[in-house]
Amino acid sequence: DAKTTQPPSMDCAEGRAANLPCNHSTISGNEYVYWYRQIHSQGPQYIIHGLKNNETNEMASLIITEDRKSSTLILPHATLRDTAVYYCIVRAIIQGAQKLVFGQGTRLTINP
Amino acid sequence: IAGITQAPTSQILAAGRRMTLRCTQDMRHNAMYWYRQDLGLGLRLIHYSNTAGTTGKGEVPDGYSVSRANTDDFPLTLASAVPSQTSVYFCASSDFSVGGEQFFGPGTRLTVL
Repeated sequence: DAKTTQPPSMDCAEGRAANLPCNHSTISGNEYVYWYRQIHSQGPQYIIHGLKNNETNEMASLIITEDRKSSTLILPHATLRDTAVYYCIVRAIIQGAQKLVFGQGTRLTINP
Repeated sequence: IAGITQAPTSQILAAGRRMTLRCTQDMRHNAMYWYRQDLGLGLRLIHYSNTAGTTGKGEVPDGYSVSRANTDDFPLTLASAVPSQTSVYFCASSDFSVGGEQFFGPGTRLTVL
C-alpha cells in the first residue's frame, strides 16, 4: 500500500472550513483514498473514500488532485465535535478483509 | 441495532494470566478485525478474519490468537499476558461491498501488570 504523509496537527476556528491535506505520491492506479477519524478514546469512524473523482457525503468532501498524488479532506463548517485525529489511508479494494494501515494522522483542534 | 460490542470495557490483569477479549457484531459482516492502539504508534492490525472459519495474521500477531466459529463473534485471546500487551484493543467489522468501510467497537482498555 502506498505511504501517506499528513501534518501532525492543525487548528481551525469553529464555523470555518477545515482543510486537511494528505500526500500519497506513490499511489497506484487501483488504490483508493480513505479517511477515518478518531475522537478521543473512541473507536475510529469512517468518513469518506474516493478513487479519482471528488466525493461528497453528509460528513465531508474529498478532493483528489488530477495526478492523484495528494488529496484534501474538507469539513465545510467545523464544529467543536469535529476535534479528533484524522487518518488518511491508501488501500486497494480487494475481495475480502480490508487490512487498513493507520499512520499517525493529523490531530485537528477546532477552537471556539 | 448495537453494531459492534466489546467486553470488557477495561481490565487489569496479572502477567502470565490468560485473557479473552470478546467482540460481537450484529451487522452480518463477513470480515472482522482486531487492532491495538498504543500511544505514539497509532492503530496496528493484530488478526483478521475474512469469513467464519478463516483467520489471518496482521501486523503484530505474536502473543495473540483468534477464532471465528460464526459470523457474529471474533474473540481475541492472550494465552499468557505480558506487560507489553498493555494497550487499547479495538474490534472492527466490514462487509465485502466496494468501499468496505470498517465499523469499530468502543474498545477495551487492558493493563497487564
